[in-house]
Amino acid sequence: EAQVTQNPRYLITVTGKKLTVTCSQNMNHEYMSWYRQDPGLGLRQIYYSMNVEVTDKGDVPEGYKVSRKEKRNFPLILESPSPNQTSLYFCASSGAGIASEQYFGPGTRLTVT
Amino acid sequence: QQQVKQSPQSLIVQKGGISIINCAYENTAFDYFPWYQQFPGKGPALLIAIRPDVSEKKEGRFTISFNKSAKQFSLHIMDSQPGDSATYFCAAPEDSGYSTLTFGKGTMLLVSP
Repeated sequence: EAQVTQNPRYLITVTGKKLTVTCSQNMNHEYMSWYRQDPGLGLRQIYYSMNVEVTDKGDVPEGYKVSRKEKRNFPLILESPSPNQTSLYFCASSGAGIASEQYFGPGTRLTVT
Repeated sequence: QQQVKQSPQSLIVQKGGISIINCAYENTAFDYFPWYQQFPGKGPALLIAIRPDVSEKKEGRFTISFNKSAKQFSLHIMDSQPGDSATYFCAAPEDSGYSTLTFGKGTMLLVSP
């Protein structure tokens, strides 16, 4: 089954404790992206990757890091999480940039206390 | 950064009625406008998309109407059903390379039985 998987699905952590949210896709897609969703703000892009070893900032990259060492994986790293990073995070992938269908993962709900 | 203004924020429609959601964009240089549908607890999923070489695209009960001169596009859901209750997001490309999408803030649709 074609899918994007994220782990963990739910995470509660404390300020400053480094964490990684993993994202993996099995569709051999070149394009992958991370979004955060907040009430009233919609979906905002954090980082994206057009292919392996190619990443770029989205609209809200501050406080986040990403890496793309393999085509299928695109982890999101929060080196020193803060409460304002409490949000619902989605990973997405598509086969030909965003001008084709983006497949979204199920989401990771992160709470930083 | 392009702004995508989506309205209304929420919408209640009776079963069998027509749901209409509107989006306005700023940058006329790009030509791909998708709508995503998100059910509670799930990631967004592509519903329908239009390229403005046409003014309208229909897929089943869902229709996108596009007005290039007004820089607006709308989603119409005909014969709305309770199963259509979801949050809907419009989006527009941020650049000519289609590397990023700017999403509207979303419309929460409730179709009452």
